[in-house]
Amino acid sequence: KQEVTQIPAALSVPEGENLVLNCSFTDSAIYNLQWFRQDPGKGLTSLLLIQSSQREQTSGRLNASLDKSSGRSTLYIAASQPGDSATYLCAVKYNFNKFYFGSGTKLNVKP
Amino acid sequence: DVKVTQSSRYLVKRTGEKVFLECVQDMDHENMFWYRQDPGLGLRLIYFSYDVKMKEKGDIPEGYSVSREKKERFSLILESASTNQTSMYLCASSLDFFSGNTIYFGEGSWLTVV
Repeated sequence: KQEVTQIPAALSVPEGENLVLNCSFTDSAIYNLQWFRQDPGKGLTSLLLIQSSQREQTSGRLNASLDKSSGRSTLYIAASQPGDSATYLCAVKYNFNKFYFGSGTKLNVKP
Repeated sequence: DVKVTQSSRYLVKRTGEKVFLECVQDMDHENMFWYRQDPGLGLRLIYFSYDVKMKEKGDIPEGYSVSREKKERFSLILESASTNQTSMYLCASSLDFFSGNTIYFGEGSWLTVV
């Protein structure tokens, strides 16, 4: 059974700090990996999508990397802001459109 | 702009009631999904559909059924609601199976069964 793990479950940092969120998956035969943001009581918003053939994707202050062989992805957030406070989830897509989600990392950026 | 709309944001239902959760997408996507999200358990797939009238069980289909009569609409049905079905329900859609497209989510429906 595919498993997706996110560590840490929660993270609190001061504003301006650079930070890294981690995602690991047990089966490396992935189609793609996606990072999402979820605000309290809301749905998920897609941040970055990395295809299996790619190593990284960037959007503004966000950079996501993918290492399939080790079963890991990281989401790097530069110069964090209080507005970045949210839960960040990674999702791995395998064949036939099955997406497996991690439990998320709850980020708190303190002003 | 892509949009997945869940008609009910907050519902309170009694044990044994039949509950309908509706989801509509305006992107002409082939695939639609229903997940539930619980603290500590993450998102778990209940059912998905890859075409009109087609459906596949996810990881936790027990106690649920689905209906997809039109491409844009995917309904989740709780045949006889129970308290352990109290949860946040998320609908999602994506373009097709074989591309690397993004999956889009609705805002979620909070269901409380009393």
